Amino acid sequence: GNSVTQMEGPVTLSEEAFLTINCTYTATGYPSLFWYVQYPGEGLQLLLKATKADDKGSNKGFEATYRKETTSFHLEKGSVQVSDSAVYFCALRGSDGGATNKLIFGTGTLLAVQP
Amino acid sequence: DAGVTQSPTHLIKTRGQHVTLRCSPISGHKSVSWYQQVLGQGPQFIFQYYEKEERGRGNFPDRFSARQFPNYSSELNVNALLLGDSALYLCASRQTSTDTQYFGPGTRLTVL
Repeated sequence: GNSVTQMEGPVTLSEEAFLTINCTYTATGYPSLFWYVQYPGEGLQLLLKATKADDKGSNKGFEATYRKETTSFHLEKGSVQVSDSAVYFCALRGSDGGATNKLIFGTGTLLAVQP
Repeated sequence: DAGVTQSPTHLIKTRGQHVTLRCSPISGHKSVSWYQQVLGQGPQFIFQYYEKEERGRGNFPDRFSARQFPNYSSELNVNALLLGDSALYLCASRQTSTDTQYFGPGTRLTVL
């Protein structure tokens, strides 16, 4: 079945450091891929998405490229800020033609950015 | 525009009780999904409803049920609560044109 694997956290960085959070997936066909962010005590916010191979999603300085050959969707940001501290979830929606549009999430990666 | 809204924000129940959680989707969205997020884990899919019909169900016991109303709002019901049902329950509404799900702030359920 479909699944998502994320690097375990926590990831602790200094302000202005480069961020990479790894995400790989297992799925049949061509799933859509998403990154969501969850700030403390809040629900999930969509950060970016990509729906086909080689697509690059970007938002607020974050980027991720859909790599079908490596089944990956790694999240990157060139210069993190303290306000980026949150839990980041990689997710996929399968393309198996099922009636549901359920999202399958990874376990989340906690990012802590220190000033 | 208002986002997805959920009520209540927090809830404390005891084992064996019943709970009803409510969700209002973004205006114009006809699909609502429910997810359970246990502390330290990613959300797990419970149900999806579209146009008042159940379109999918995750691996949850029959104690969990849901429904969608003509105005596309939804309720999640959980019977015979167990300690393990303590979690953040998230509702998401889906924008069909962009295939994107938008999440509400969640309801934090604590079962004592």
